[in-house]
Amino acid sequence: GAVVSQHPSWVICKSGTSVKIECRSLDFQATTMFWYRQFPKQSLMLMATSNEGSKATYEQGVEKDKFLINHASLTLSTLTVTSAHPEDSSFYICSAERTGGAGGYTFGSGTRLTVV
Amino acid sequence: AQSVTQLGSHVSVSEGALVLLRCNYSSSVPPYLFWYVQYPNQGLQLLLKYTTGATLVKGINGFEAEFKKSETSFHLTKPSAHMSDAAEYFCAVSEGDDKIIFGKGTRLHILP
Repeated sequence: GAVVSQHPSWVICKSGTSVKIECRSLDFQATTMFWYRQFPKQSLMLMATSNEGSKATYEQGVEKDKFLINHASLTLSTLTVTSAHPEDSSFYICSAERTGGAGGYTFGSGTRLTVV
Repeated sequence: AQSVTQLGSHVSVSEGALVLLRCNYSSSVPPYLFWYVQYPNQGLQLLLKYTTGATLVKGINGFEAEFKKSETSFHLTKPSAHMSDAAEYFCAVSEGDDKIIFGKGTRLHILP
């Protein structure tokens, strides 16, 4: 149980285009989801916290107009990288907070974005 | 391929007792290893990381972990548990690029 599906696992896009990444909780409801970005050899960077039905809370320095987060249902949050540039190339990973029961967090498997 | 196994989804220790959270990994290259903590309604916080060099790594809040290559382990310890340590802990492995794999997490409960 407690599986989070993140899709796609990898994507290559051209500069200037937009890319949508989905994070879906398959067997539980997730009121809160987190989006992170991983740089090589560094610790994970929290980008934003999304809560179902409300606006995401972005961390300082993260452009909310560039990284659009939507959490329209209790099982799905999406991250859209708009007008992507090569510097946006990275590994993005989501995690979902398991509501009710024992609680806790489950990570998606991540998305490798390459902007060319 | 990388993988991480955290033994025990829940661990309970008494306040003042030793905390030991287990993590084993697999990696085809020398790994980068991380321990993160997550409190309710907050994002992950980095406790410590191993990249190269000294195998005993000291982190924040009195936590430390030892990289043991022969055992492919990176267990997290703290000599004396505090109530504030109650949280979920994640071990993670990276092979030096930007991909990171997380374990399933261990919920630490502190008993008064």
